[in-house]
Amino acid sequence: DVVMTQSPLSLPVTFGQPVSISCRSSQSLVHSDGNTYLTWFQQRPGQSPRRLIYKVSNRDSGVPDRFSGSGSGTDFTLKISRVEAEDVGVYYCMQSTHWPPWTFGQGTKLEIK
Amino acid sequence: QVHLVESGGGVVQPGTSLKLSCAASGFIFSRYGMHWVRQSPGKGLEWVAVIRHDGSNENYGDSVKGRFTISRDNSKNTLYLQMNSLRVDDTAVYYCARGWFGDEFDYWGQGTLVTVSS
Repeated sequence: DVVMTQSPLSLPVTFGQPVSISCRSSQSLVHSDGNTYLTWFQQRPGQSPRRLIYKVSNRDSGVPDRFSGSGSGTDFTLKISRVEAEDVGVYYCMQSTHWPPWTFGQGTKLEIK
Repeated sequence: QVHLVESGGGVVQPGTSLKLSCAASGFIFSRYGMHWVRQSPGKGLEWVAVIRHDGSNENYGDSVKGRFTISRDNSKNTLYLQMNSLRVDDTAVYYCARGWFGDEFDYWGQGTLVTVSS
């Protein structure tokens, strides 16, 4: 199974500041079809997960453009250009290149400093 | 708009069974694969099972293989998870989510809590 490792696991932030979350996979996520199936989710307190970004860098409809995804191979990053109050929560990466199983990172908790 | 509503959770004893449902609306259910994902209290997300749009293919996580069965009734727009031989470590919020390989998890339900305790 592909292991997804996120860092940091806790991220104290100040509103308005940029943040980055790293996600590394135990093997390349490049699929034989040429796509890389790396997804980012946001889970606000008390809510269900919400998909933010799919295939590394594609933002879902309604996701603010301050969120961006990048990376390749085994190394991926979620960036928030300016953190806002509504961004507080836990962020997860997930791979779906090598399935089953679909595997998630441990989660990164974004909290206010 | 897309809606997924889970139900069937509750408090059960170890070794017993429970069946979860996920009612779908706002999209053509029979065209989409569907997943179950769970989250133990205070923990991260764990993929549980997936079923193809037509029910022809299922896959399970190792922790539930042989105990859980995913199924669907496309005439009722409903996804199911039959959970047998429940263990304390199956305690979690269970979410259903839409999609198959390539475009999955774009919509999630609100979750239903399953507590396995003696």
